[in-house]
Amino acid sequence: SQQGEEDPQALSIQEGENATMNCSYKTSINNLQWYRQNSGRGLVHLILIRSNEREKHSGRLRVTLDTSKKSSSLLITASRAADTASYFCATDDGYKLSFGAGTTVTVRA
Amino acid sequence: EPEVTQTPSHQVTQMGQEVILRCVPISNHLYFYWYRQILGQKVEFLVSFYNNEISEKSEIFDDQFSVERPDGSNFTLKIRSTKLEDSAMYFCASSVEIDRGRTDTQYFGPGTRLTVL
Repeated sequence: SQQGEEDPQALSIQEGENATMNCSYKTSINNLQWYRQNSGRGLVHLILIRSNEREKHSGRLRVTLDTSKKSSSLLITASRAADTASYFCATDDGYKLSFGAGTTVTVRA
Repeated sequence: EPEVTQTPSHQVTQMGQEVILRCVPISNHLYFYWYRQILGQKVEFLVSFYNNEISEKSEIFDDQFSVERPDGSNFTLKIRSTKLEDSAMYFCASSVEIDRGRTDTQYFGPGTRLTVL
């Protein structure tokens, strides 16, 4: 399976702290995408990083990709209560996305 | 900002009934997808669609499922005879092609919650 697998499964942090979650996968990819899902809601695209990129930033988000280790990380800086959600990595093989089980992030006020 | 829309937001049906879930992808996108998420589980790929053909499908996408692009804007998923285990959130997604065979970000709709009784 090519599925991304996130680590940790759950993360609880204080508002203002940084949150880091990791994703590992098994086979070669075209790109890797990170999504956020609020409870019972749709998937919101956060950031896409291509297989030839190593790092990407978008606002308070920083994503890294290490294709030699088949891993990616998502860093959310200066977290806010509104960042409370589940975060998923999804690997794109050019035909479909394969999702991991996600990291549930709780930001305490 | 353009977005993928889906209707209905919630569908309740009896086991054995047919359901059609509807999606309107982003207008300049050429690749269309259906995924599902059973409550508490991972998002799972069902099928991808390009140039009026299925590009790839998963093991889940058996003969009970079909997809269609009946006109220039809609993309539908039909389940012919629903089972209890089909209860899930169904997401439609679309993407552009950036060059031959390489797609870009997949944008997801808000989902249709299907409940089979």
